[in-house]
Amino acid sequence: DTQMTQSPSSLSASVGDRVTITCRASQGITTFLNWYQLKPGQAPKLLIYDASSVHSGVPSRFSGSGSGTAFTLTISNLQAEDFATYSCQQSYTTPWTFGQGTKVEIK
Amino acid sequence: QVQMVQSGAELKKPGASVKVSCKGSGYTFTGYYIHWVRQAPGQRLEWMGRMNPNTGGPNHAQKFQGRVTMTRDTSIATAYMELNSLTSDDTAVYYCAREGMLRNFDYWGQGTLVTVSS
Repeated sequence: DTQMTQSPSSLSASVGDRVTITCRASQGITTFLNWYQLKPGQAPKLLIYDASSVHSGVPSRFSGSGSGTAFTLTISNLQAEDFATYSCQQSYTTPWTFGQGTKVEIK
Repeated sequence: QVQMVQSGAELKKPGASVKVSCKGSGYTFTGYYIHWVRQAPGQRLEWMGRMNPNTGGPNHAQKFQGRVTMTRDTSIATAYMELNSLTSDDTAVYYCAREGMLRNFDYWGQGTLVTVSS
């Protein structure tokens, strides 16, 4: 199975900050990498697909980059509603696998 | 708008089975794969498998082979996931999700908490 490792596991930030989360795959996955936002009691939301494409309706402060084994999610100008857990996911090969999540907390 | 609405929480005893439903609306149900993903407490999301609503053909993660059944009723645009021989390790929130155009999960259900306890 393709292992997905995110860093950091958690971070503290303030409104207005720029936040970067890294995701690494144990083998090359081209750009089959997606990012999701998870909040307790809510359905997960797709933010970024194909490593760098922003899903419909997602604010432009979210961006993604990378290919192969290394990827990043960047949130510029962090807003109050962005405090959540973020998870990467590869869909290059089954079983599709997820990172362990990065919790973004208020500083 | 696209919506995936799941059935309510379940409490099951070890060894029992659970069947979770997922009703799709706002799109052509047979045009998109339905996936099932779960998240146990404190754990990462875990992919269980997917089903082609058009053909009914499943593709399960090896971990769940022989224990999970994915079906659908196209007349009511509803997918089902049944998991057998439950143990406490199966306590989790179970999600259905629609597969988007580039192998992503573009819409998710609200989740169904399944608790396995004696």
